[in-house]
Amino acid sequence: NAGVTQTPKFQVLKTGQSMTLQCAQDMNHNSMYWYRQDPGMGLRLIYYSASEGTTDKGEVPNGYNVSRLNKREFSLRLESAAPSQTSVYFCASSGSPEGPLQSYEQYFGPGTRLTVT
Amino acid sequence: AQKITQTQPGMFVQEKEAVTLDCTYDTSDPSYGLFWYKQPSSGEMIFLIYQGSYDQQNATEGRYSLNFQKARKSANLVISASQLGDSAMYFCAMRAYDTGNQFYFGTGTSLTVIP
Repeated sequence: NAGVTQTPKFQVLKTGQSMTLQCAQDMNHNSMYWYRQDPGMGLRLIYYSASEGTTDKGEVPNGYNVSRLNKREFSLRLESAAPSQTSVYFCASSGSPEGPLQSYEQYFGPGTRLTVT
Repeated sequence: AQKITQTQPGMFVQEKEAVTLDCTYDTSDPSYGLFWYKQPSSGEMIFLIYQGSYDQQNATEGRYSLNFQKARKSANLVISASQLGDSAMYFCAMRAYDTGNQFYFGTGTSLTVIP
């Protein structure tokens, strides 16, 4: 049981290059998320997918696209990387509570440290 | 709108002492959950404790307890008997059930345990 896995762990891009961050979970969770973490800013939601086949914008979606490939996999794509996208990117997943008396915490991947020069 | 506020950028505590990390939240949803996560210097996010808005008692998990004051909209994390391994960033988060599956995070508190 690997939990949430992310690839790659580190990446350096030049401005204008594109890349896809991969994320997979083996916990049969419905919901998956992509965050970026910058110093002093906490975690900011880029996109999330409440269930297979759906995606929604979060707080900072500009410059990113996502694909919920199936229930297990949720990828994040940078079409034309910019220095402002230098950050640590976390993927997370959680179950979907069926009511207010239930809750499911998020499980996080190990993160991808991306540098755009 | 949902919002989480952590007003302590950094905290210090002596080993074996207790420490309280503050968290206030804002939501109009009556049903919500509050979470605390720990992020050590290695970078992974570790779930610590959960409190539901309808829970009558404060949540506890080992040395962690959540001081939930609903009227004041606060959900402070209390760590008892601090250990050197508790040195880390701590994030408070909220999930409001009526507004989808989003989690909202605070900006975090950096805790340093002094031997």
